[in-house]
Amino acid sequence: DSGVTQTPKHLITATGQRVTLRCSPRSGDLSVYWYQQSLDQGLQFLIQYYNGEERAKGNILERFSAQQFPDLHSELNLSSLELGDSVLYFCASSVDWGSYNEQFFGPGTRLTVL
Amino acid sequence: AQKVTQAQTEISVVEKEDVTLDCVYETRDTTYYLFWYKQPPSGELVFLIRRNSFDEQNEISGRYSWNFQKSTSSFNFTITASQVVDSAVYFCALSGLNDYKLSFGAGTTVTVRA
Repeated sequence: DSGVTQTPKHLITATGQRVTLRCSPRSGDLSVYWYQQSLDQGLQFLIQYYNGEERAKGNILERFSAQQFPDLHSELNLSSLELGDSVLYFCASSVDWGSYNEQFFGPGTRLTVL
Repeated sequence: AQKVTQAQTEISVVEKEDVTLDCVYETRDTTYYLFWYKQPPSGELVFLIRRNSFDEQNEISGRYSWNFQKSTSSFNFTITASQVVDSAVYFCALSGLNDYKLSFGAGTTVTVRA
């Protein structure tokens, strides 16, 4: 158990809908990262937050947004969902924002868009 | 841009055999960090090791060992006396000094047969 929690574990929804994925980092970690994992693209970085502020952005679609709250939990909002959004979403956390930090991953949320 | 290549897609071994996973990386950064993660069938990503670019010492942790060679840009991972519980997908990842994300290789699926 990495100490990072993600809810829900599975999410099934329909095209065009909007969903929110939630992540709680390990105790004491200030940085949260979101990744997605698909068979064709592998593990891809989406976005990073550090202590409530957006720190870095990767290949995140405009339909997707995220935020980190004062209690350091983070939410990833996915809107206008398409079939291709049906992948595994991981949250990770680290102590601070530096690239030298180990990132500890949550169990993931598997999204299915029908 | 950082790039990680794991040329071996799948490796199948019989229990107690040794297995070596190759990882080759590309980066223009002089300071960078290399990681290995394990993804068992349950799906979570488990951190195994971090290595700094300025520390070329090899490392051993139980049945796991890592060989970092800057001259060949490789960071290979060996499992000695493999066990069925080692069956998983193993990912090599890289981050540069000014990166905030991990760049992952495509992963190598290891199957250990009893």
